[in-house]
Amino acid sequence: EIVMTQSPATLSVSPGERATLSCRASQSVNSNLAWYQQKPGQAPRLLIYDASTRVSGIPARFSGSGSGTEFTFSISSLQSEDFAVYYCQQYNKWPLTFGGGTKVEIK
Amino acid sequence: VQLVESGGDLVQPGGSLRLSCAASGFTVINNYMTWVRQAPGRGLEWVSSIYSSDSTKYADSVRGRFTVSRDDSKNTLYLEMNMLRAEDTAVYYCARGPSGYSTFWGQGTLVTVSS
Repeated sequence: EIVMTQSPATLSVSPGERATLSCRASQSVNSNLAWYQQKPGQAPRLLIYDASTRVSGIPARFSGSGSGTEFTFSISSLQSEDFAVYYCQQYNKWPLTFGGGTKVEIK
Repeated sequence: VQLVESGGDLVQPGGSLRLSCAASGFTVINNYMTWVRQAPGRGLEWVSSIYSSDSTKYADSVRGRFTVSRDDSKNTLYLEMNMLRAEDTAVYYCARGPSGYSTFWGQGTLVTVSS
C-alpha cells in the first residue's frame, strides 16, 4: 500500500497570505495525484487532478505541482472561504490512498 | 449531476446493511464509482470501487465483508456490508470519476455500528 503523508497537520494563515501544503508518497505515484477540499459537514470537493490540472471552475489561486513522490498544493492569497481541510489522494496503484489531511485555519 | 446515498442506520456489531447511491444526470456504468468513508473526526478512507464492465476493488479492511455492485437499469450503486464492526462506523460517501480520482461526491450516509 502506498502511504501518503501530508504536512503540516495544521497551517495557520492570515487572509490574503499564501498557503503551501505538502504531500509525500511512500513510492512513486507518477502524476496520479488529486487534491480535495473539505469543509465541516460537507462532502469533499475535487480541486486538482493529475497533480497540477485544476478542475473547471476552480479559482486560479489554487495550484498543484510535483511528480513521483513529492507534491505541493498552494493557495496564492487565502480567502475566507478557503479555510478548510485539504486531502491529497493517489490513484496510481490500488488500493487508492489518501493523506491524513492538512487543516488550514485562520491565524 | 446528482448522487444521493441512503441506507445508513444504527446496526449492532456483526450485523448487515446495504447502502444505495442513486445517480442522475449521468450513467454509472460509464464511470468509476467509488465508496469512501470518514469516521467521526477522522480523515478519508477509500473503501471500494467498481469500474468497466464489472471490475471491483476493495480495501483490505473490508475485503470479504463488503460487496460493491450496481444496477444499471436503476442507475444505482450499492454497498452490501456484512459482519459489521465498530470500526466501520463512519459517513459513507459515493463518488464518481473518470478513473481513480472522484470528480463528484454525494452528501453521504451515516453508518453507526454499536450495541
